[in-house]
Amino acid sequence: QVQLVQSGAEVKPPGASVKVSCEASAYPFTDYYVHWVRQAPGQGLEWMGIIDPSGGSTTYSQKFQGRLTLTSDTSTSTVYMHLRSLTSGDTAVYYCARWGWGLDYWGQGTLVTVSS
Amino acid sequence: DIQMTQSPSTLSASVGDRVTITCRASQSISSWLAWYQQKPGKAPKLLIYKASDLEPGVPSRFSGSGSGTEFTLTISRLQPDDFAIYYCQQYNSYSWTFGQGTKVEIK
Repeated sequence: QVQLVQSGAEVKPPGASVKVSCEASAYPFTDYYVHWVRQAPGQGLEWMGIIDPSGGSTTYSQKFQGRLTLTSDTSTSTVYMHLRSLTSGDTAVYYCARWGWGLDYWGQGTLVTVSS
Repeated sequence: DIQMTQSPSTLSASVGDRVTITCRASQSISSWLAWYQQKPGKAPKLLIYKASDLEPGVPSRFSGSGSGTEFTLTISRLQPDDFAIYYCQQYNSYSWTFGQGTKVEIK
């Protein structure tokens, strides 16, 4: 069955960067765009960006422009989310999700905690 | 950016009730709207796409309607498993935005 498996929880100091991976399986990796969505503790869902794994083209939310980079590795069917200049406001669960006609398959989420 | 506003923020209902959640877009998004259900500690689950198409495997008591700027998610007869938070999401002109969520709680 389709799966998106994310890397484990991270704790980072303010000012650092974090890279979260999302490995896809059981579907043609390059046929579906992948989104990243985050959720701060007790808050709603926030859309961050999207990547076309086949060509690597990306679109980012204006909020994260200049601080977020999404990349893909077709040899391992893995998408990466790299977020720089972390602040306490970036503490959240980060999800990758496949775009079918909606976000039809989601990763399990990766908790990123920003703390000194 | 297109803003999505859900109402109400919280809804108290009983098992068997008919429940309706509204989502309004700040500009027309045609039918490019999805609905998700999220339970505590879990990733969201896709319920409806293209405003009214039911995702395979989702119970038929869930339905969506609307186009343009106003959309609704209806649960025809609320079941115990339906108490959760519901989010709408628009996708239009290569931008995606979520509503702030509606919590459906037990009355």
